[in-house]
Amino acid sequence: DAKTTQPTSMDCAEGRAANLPCNHSTISGNEYVYWYRQIHSQGPQYIIHGLKNNETNEMASLIITEDRKSSTLILPHATLRDTAVYYCIVRALYNTDKLIFGTGTRLQVFP
Amino acid sequence: NAGVMQNPRHLVRRRGQEARLRCSPMKGHSHVYWYRQLPEEGLKFMVYLQKENIIDESGMPKERFSAEFPKEGPSILRIQQVVRGDSAAYFCASSTPGRSGNTIYFGEGSWLTVV
Repeated sequence: DAKTTQPTSMDCAEGRAANLPCNHSTISGNEYVYWYRQIHSQGPQYIIHGLKNNETNEMASLIITEDRKSSTLILPHATLRDTAVYYCIVRALYNTDKLIFGTGTRLQVFP
Repeated sequence: NAGVMQNPRHLVRRRGQEARLRCSPMKGHSHVYWYRQLPEEGLKFMVYLQKENIIDESGMPKERFSAEFPKEGPSILRIQQVVRGDSAAYFCASSTPGRSGNTIYFGEGSWLTVV
């Protein structure tokens, strides 16, 4: 599996956009980038995923660079409830398509 | 459409007892994954199952832990002779048959406390 690198922690003011970066320089051409988050004491929550095109849904936008070596998750208007650990995961396409979680980015949204 | 359902949400066991954690996948999902999260640590993959078949158990401890996903009924993660180090949150997830881009959804977890 391609490894990902994320900052350990980030802060964001409520109402502002939160931009969470992720490096995945060894990603293969057929591997997807997934984002999940885990709010304290809850199960991981799926946010968004993409292959090479930018993606947007009701929760967030995912921007993937043209060379696919990095991506950015954008929460357009962060709220206090977005405080969580955010995981960027590259998903292998083998027999087991399990997700491997790293240490993620701890996002703190402040008033 | 109900999400991934786990029960019990909280379980207390004495050392040496058995713990059974159940997971009902989302409707239409035939693949189940179990993860463990020790206090203040990250999520660790344990096992990946399809109906009546273990696909990948590379993350399962060699002893005392087993998992099954029968043809009918929920997936079960079984921990025999629990020890204090088994105290953790256990998360189940499910997905449709694996194709690139399929999404894995998680339940809310089962918290095991061994006293």
